Amino acid sequence: QSALTQPPSVSGSPGQSVTISCTGTSSDVGSYNRVSWYQQPPGTAPKLMIYEVTNRPSGVPDRFSGSKSGNTASLTISGLQAEDEADYYCGSYTSSTTWVFGGGTKLTVL
Amino acid sequence: QVQLVESGGGVVQPGGSLRLSCAASGFTFSSFGMHWVRQAPGKGLEWLAFIRPDGNDKYYADSVKGRFTISRDNSKNTLYLQMNSLRAEDTAVYYCAKDLRWSHFDHWGQGTLVIVSS
Repeated sequence: QSALTQPPSVSGSPGQSVTISCTGTSSDVGSYNRVSWYQQPPGTAPKLMIYEVTNRPSGVPDRFSGSKSGNTASLTISGLQAEDEADYYCGSYTSSTTWVFGGGTKLTVL
Repeated sequence: QVQLVESGGGVVQPGGSLRLSCAASGFTFSSFGMHWVRQAPGKGLEWLAFIRPDGNDKYYADSVKGRFTISRDNSKNTLYLQMNSLRAEDTAVYYCAKDLRWSHFDHWGQGTLVIVSS
């Protein structure tokens, strides 16, 4: 049950795009389209932003998009806004009938 | 609207026990699986346990297997986490989360803080 691998931090200026990667294995990200992304501003609970690789829940701006290739999933945020500054976590279902998260990525809007 | 409210956190000595509760409302609780997830201070999210809607099947992370027990009372719309043999490394904010399609966590509670310290 090793954590998925995310970069510790990314940054971008308002209006720019950033992409956060999430690398797993053939036992999790690579085998299932059950990858999700969560946004967590400081001191708050996580919020679902992307589910099943590419889907956005109601209310999430279309600036947020997800994709997957092989064992790596990605979250792209376009048109960066100051309010996007937060920690972002990926998550995946695994072949052991468990779930695993990435270590988290801190997004800084410059 | 979906609401999940955790309670039962606090300070406990190493080796002690604690039971967390998660009161659910705004959805048909008995139709959805539920998870517990924790976050140690300054650290990332760690999945702990999942229980199916009927409570008959439960799954655990290796880090808590044999020490923690997830359960639910569908008549009370409440999820539980019984934590035994607590260690300092169990200090964290504990969240309950609603499952969707054995895929993702679509709603989260606000969390309850557990501190294991002598």
